[in-house]
Amino acid sequence: KQEVTQIPAALSVPEGENLVLNCSFTDSAIYNLQWFRQDPGKGLTSLLLIQSSQREQTSGRLNASLDKSSGRSTLYIAASQPGDSATYLCAVSHNDYKLSFGAGTTVTVRA
Amino acid sequence: EAQVTQNPRYLITVTGKKLTVTCSQNMNHEYMSWYRQDPGLGLRQIYYSMNVEVTDKGDVPEGYKVSRKEKRNFPLILESPSPNQTSLYFCASSLVGTAYEQYFGPGTRLTVT
Repeated sequence: KQEVTQIPAALSVPEGENLVLNCSFTDSAIYNLQWFRQDPGKGLTSLLLIQSSQREQTSGRLNASLDKSSGRSTLYIAASQPGDSATYLCAVSHNDYKLSFGAGTTVTVRA
Repeated sequence: EAQVTQNPRYLITVTGKKLTVTCSQNMNHEYMSWYRQDPGLGLRQIYYSMNVEVTDKGDVPEGYKVSRKEKRNFPLILESPSPNQTSLYFCASSLVGTAYEQYFGPGTRLTVT
């Protein structure tokens, strides 16, 4: 059974600092990995998807890397802003039909 | 606008009273799924569907039913809700393949008293 771990559980940084969020998974035979953002009481917004054959994906200030051999992915958010405050979830899939989620990292960016 | 919609967004009901949470997507996605999110347990899959008339159990299917009669709709049915089904429910959809991200609905917060 795939176990997905996100460390730290919570993070507080001053505005402008770069954010580094970690995700680890136990079974490296993944299909793809997706990073989501969740605002309190809201749904999940997809940020980046990395296919198993890829090493990284970038979108604006966001960059996600994938190291399948070590079972790790890292989400980097450059020059953080208060609007980046949210919970960030990592999800791993082995097939077309199921995502295994981590518990999330709750980020607070202080103005 | 491409989206997954859920209704209702909030629901308070009593034990044993049948209810249905609707989910609809306008992206012609083959795959649809239901998850529940609980504090300390994270997101867990309830049921999923790979196409019309094709459904299968996820990790926590007990107490739930689904149907997929049309490609765009995937309702979640609680025949006899119990308090342990109090949760935040999400519907998701995607195209099938490694390159395709899952899109999530806004969530339905269900309270069963």
